[in-house]
Order: sequence, then C-alpha cells, then structure tokens
Amino acid sequence: NAGVMQNPRHLVRRRGQEARLRCSPMKGHSHVYWYRQLPEEGLKFMVYLQKENIIDESGMPKERFSAEFPKEGPSILRIQQVVRGDSAAYFCASSDSVGGNIQYFGAGTRLSVL
Amino acid sequence: DAKTTQPNSMESNEEEPVHLPCNHSTISGTDYIHWYRQLPSQGPEYVIHGLTSNVNNRMASLAIAEDRKSSTLILHRATLRDAAVYYCILGGTSYGKLTFGQGTILTVHP
Repeated sequence: NAGVMQNPRHLVRRRGQEARLRCSPMKGHSHVYWYRQLPEEGLKFMVYLQKENIIDESGMPKERFSAEFPKEGPSILRIQQVVRGDSAAYFCASSDSVGGNIQYFGAGTRLSVL
Repeated sequence: DAKTTQPNSMESNEEEPVHLPCNHSTISGTDYIHWYRQLPSQGPEYVIHGLTSNVNNRMASLAIAEDRKSSTLILHRATLRDAAVYYCILGGTSYGKLTFGQGTILTVHP
C-alpha cells in the first residue's frame, strides 16, 4: 500500500510565479491536511479537506493561498505570486474514516523562491 | 488547544532505553495523547497514542500518569535511526489539525 505521495519533492520558483503542490493520499483515505514548516521553525497547520470540501482553513494565509481536494485526483495546494517568505517545506498528511486522527505524512515538497 | 511542554533536547547512547517526558497539565478529559517524530529531512511519522492506559506497540511504549497531566514516551533500545524530533500532541480522535510544538530533539550516540 503506497504511502502519501507528494510531488514535486523540490520546486524552485521566482518571485511572482505560481507554485502548485500535489498530494495523493493513501488509498482509502478521504481526509487530507496540509502543513508548512518554515526554516528553523515548527510545523504549522494550514488546511484540512475532505473530498471536495474545505473543513478547516484556519491556518491558511488569507491571500494568495488556496487548496482543493477534487472528487478525482490529488489534493492541490496553490500559491499565487510567490514571495521569498513562502520558501518552506510543505507537508501533506492523510487519514481514514476509522483510524481516528492518526495522520500519515508524505515526504514533503521543498519550495524555494528566488 | 491544550498546551504541552517538552524538554528542548535529550541525548542517549545506542542500545540504551530513552524516556521522553511531556507535561500537559491542562489536558481535557477527552484529549488523547499522540506522539509523532520527524527524522531529518522527512515528514512526521506517527509513533503511538493513548488516552488513560499505558500503550505498547512495535515502535515504543507510552506511559500515562494517573492524573493524565504528564506522559512519557519510552524507546526501549535506542538506535541511531531513532535520532529525530519527537512531538507530544494532544487531540481527540475526531479529525482535525495537529498542533505541533517545538518538540524534543533526541540525539543518539554510537
């Protein structure tokens, strides 16, 4: 059973460009979470989605950031007009409907903004 | 969210047991105690969780104080691969965000 897959593993963007980060949850998992880890800082929750619905976006910056988890396909975290401060590791996690809140994490996407 | 307090860092020697403490004096009656760890350059990894009783799995043991205001993650025989940041997190079994603190950096010496 494949784990949580994130791609790309590394992403380089210039200021002002768009970044799209993809996350395929574990098979059978319908809950997806995105977290961000800034350099030398802890992991911070961003958003929690179930299929086609955003459940909790309390950690998401109000501007330039959006997330979706369509009925078919991976979850996407989209950052528009990236700035240097967006450089971080972005982790996706998934959980199923019976395992409680045990979250399984991907290896992350490391975004570098030049 | 209820707050947890962990030492910033701990050290151990390979093959020795490690006891990682966590204080959570404001824990609510429905909060589970979760432990995750993050190895260098990797995503967090679930370790163990419990509510009131001590728990064991293939990775570790979790000892929970009778008043539930503290807990201890026990690695029975540390290996070099156990060097990581260990996070103690409170939460329910309903779905939702995990609130990571600074965690404990565990260094394992050969």
